[in-house]
Amino acid sequence: AQSVAQPEDQVNVAEGNPLTVKCTYSVSGNPYLFWYVQYPNRGLQFLLKYITGDNLVKGSYGFEAEFNKSQTSFHLKKPSALVSDSALYFCAVRGGTSISSGSARQLTFGSGTQLTVVP
Amino acid sequence: DTEVTQTPKHLVMGMTNKKSLKCEQHMGHRAMYWYKQKAKKPPELMFVYSYEKLSINESVPSRFSPECPNSSLLNLHLHALQPEDSALYLCASSRTAAWGLAGVGETQYFGPGTRLLVL
Repeated sequence: AQSVAQPEDQVNVAEGNPLTVKCTYSVSGNPYLFWYVQYPNRGLQFLLKYITGDNLVKGSYGFEAEFNKSQTSFHLKKPSALVSDSALYFCAVRGGTSISSGSARQLTFGSGTQLTVVP
Repeated sequence: DTEVTQTPKHLVMGMTNKKSLKCEQHMGHRAMYWYKQKAKKPPELMFVYSYEKLSINESVPSRFSPECPNSSLLNLHLHALQPEDSALYLCASSRTAAWGLAGVGETQYFGPGTRLLVL
């Protein structure tokens, strides 16, 4: 079974400082990894994904994520945080083995990390 | 354009009411999804439609009845709901469902959700 862990429920960072939101995963086969952001009372907004290739993935709004196969991690980063980045962030994974089918091939979400950027 | 629209934005209903949620996308996506999300929790998959056919029902109670009239529309019919069904209901779509390896990296795009309150 595939799983995602976001070890921090809450991350606080000062505006202008770099931010990191952590994500580790467990899947069979190749991992397909996604980050979504959710602002209050809104749906999930896609930020970026890792499929294959370069381990550093660049996404929307200046966010990037680094895929680390040996550490099974896909941490979300931004060099300089903005107050407007304050939101709930979800990491999600889907495993890429040909054996999986149906429900097993759907996205598995982490528990979410609330990011607060303080002015 | 990666827009998924949902109506209504808010819905209050009694336990004996019948109501429907509507979702629409014009991206030519052939997979559509319903998720349920409780506050500060990750989305939980309810249903998956692939090419207008119900492909996955994650053991959802029959008081929730999905319908996919065409490739752009997805409805969720509600009847005799319980207060614990109060949640944010999210619709999502992707180019294809993740059955084959070609689809496993597909991005799901989410709508803004319908906030449902059952009294």
